Amino acid sequence: EADIYQTPRYLVIGTGKKITLECSQTMGHDKMYWYQQDPGMELHLIHYSYGVNSTEKGDLSSESTVSRIRTEHFPLTLESARPSHTSQYLCATRQGLNEAFFGQGTRLTVV
Amino acid sequence: AQKVTQAQTEISVVEKEDVTLDCVYETRDTTYYLFWYKQPPSGELVFLIRRNSFDEQNEISGRYSWNFQKSTSSFNFTITASQVVDSAVYFCALGTSYDKVIFGPGTSLSVIP
Repeated sequence: EADIYQTPRYLVIGTGKKITLECSQTMGHDKMYWYQQDPGMELHLIHYSYGVNSTEKGDLSSESTVSRIRTEHFPLTLESARPSHTSQYLCATRQGLNEAFFGQGTRLTVV
Repeated sequence: AQKVTQAQTEISVVEKEDVTLDCVYETRDTTYYLFWYKQPPSGELVFLIRRNSFDEQNEISGRYSWNFQKSTSSFNFTITASQVVDSAVYFCALGTSYDKVIFGPGTSLSVIP
């Protein structure tokens, strides 16, 4: 089982601020994903990575950006937060075609 | 196109009843994986089962069982003798050769004591 760490768990921030959501894993999985989810609702894939220096946009358009400089880190950045960005952000890892393992998520509130 | 459909948005059952959660998927890939996840009120996603496209054997794990039928593109999940702790949102997901994992909209299960 993968160990995936997301920080912060909860974040309340003002409109216009720049934020970075951290995601790190210790299992060396090649694939990493960011999903956006409103509570109890559908998971929407916003970014994914096949490996170092590879990033792709997901099915849901997002103003956020990601980077994958190291295998274990996949941070997500919002340059200017808006209330419409309020949501839960879930990071996941996956090795090959196996199941994805999820972090505990970051609940973001933009006021 | 890759798609996962969970037609049941919400289900309520009385404790000890059996309940089946439906999942229908679409893919043109011949190799793919199907998954079920549970999301309790605490919010974390818990992996339950994986099934690959070449393995149509049904699986039973305690009170949980899964029925995979390629002919109908379905991967249904049954909970036998439901318990209050089974209350959660359950997601069916599809992993394809494009390396994405696509989730269905989820089914919210409430087990009433």
